[in-house]
Amino acid sequence: KAGVTQTPRYLIKTRGQQVTLSCSPISGHRSVSWYQQTPGQGLQFLFEYFSETQRNKGNFPGRFSGRQFSNSRSEMNVSTLELGDSALYLCASSWSERGSSSSTDTQYFGPGTRLTVL
Amino acid sequence: GESVGLHLPTLSVQEGDNSIINCAYSNSASDYFIWYKQESGKGPQFIIDIRSNMDKRQGQRVTVLLNKTVKHLSLQIAATQPGDSAVYFCAGKGGKLIFGQGTELSVKP
Repeated sequence: KAGVTQTPRYLIKTRGQQVTLSCSPISGHRSVSWYQQTPGQGLQFLFEYFSETQRNKGNFPGRFSGRQFSNSRSEMNVSTLELGDSALYLCASSWSERGSSSSTDTQYFGPGTRLTVL
Repeated sequence: GESVGLHLPTLSVQEGDNSIINCAYSNSASDYFIWYKQESGKGPQFIIDIRSNMDKRQGQRVTVLLNKTVKHLSLQIAATQPGDSAVYFCAGKGGKLIFGQGTELSVKP
């Protein structure tokens, strides 16, 4: 079974631009979560989608948004990029058998998208 | 707020020795904990998990211990190998997943 895939793997943007990152979950997984990883802040939760609905959200500004499609693929968008948005953006998928957050769902991560904002 | 922290940012061990990586959490509502391993240039890889109704779980060469009284968990790696060199994260879940800062494990040959 193929793992979580993320595209693109590397991206360079300038301040003020916007960016869209894509994530394809493991086949059969319905939940997709996004994380930002930086050396200073570590892994921080952005949001989680299940069945095309956002069901959990972290403490990030509204410039960060996401969506999930009917095939469970997900995209996240960052508008008006700032230098501090430079990070590794990780996507994780899980099976999530129920409609509410289940504690025992194991999340499987993709390789991430390395975003550099100049 | 919720936090999951690690006691040491780096750990260096000799090949063949046992490694112990510690983690503390603050959210009493966390009922599920996971250890991840992240190698350079890759996403975190699931190692082992434990539910809050357990205090120990063993995998292949790895053991996770959970002490709910002091909100502490540890990852023990037996017979550490060079391939174990990576950053290890603990994460707690009580709703959303909260990650610790990570401990970098270096294995000396």
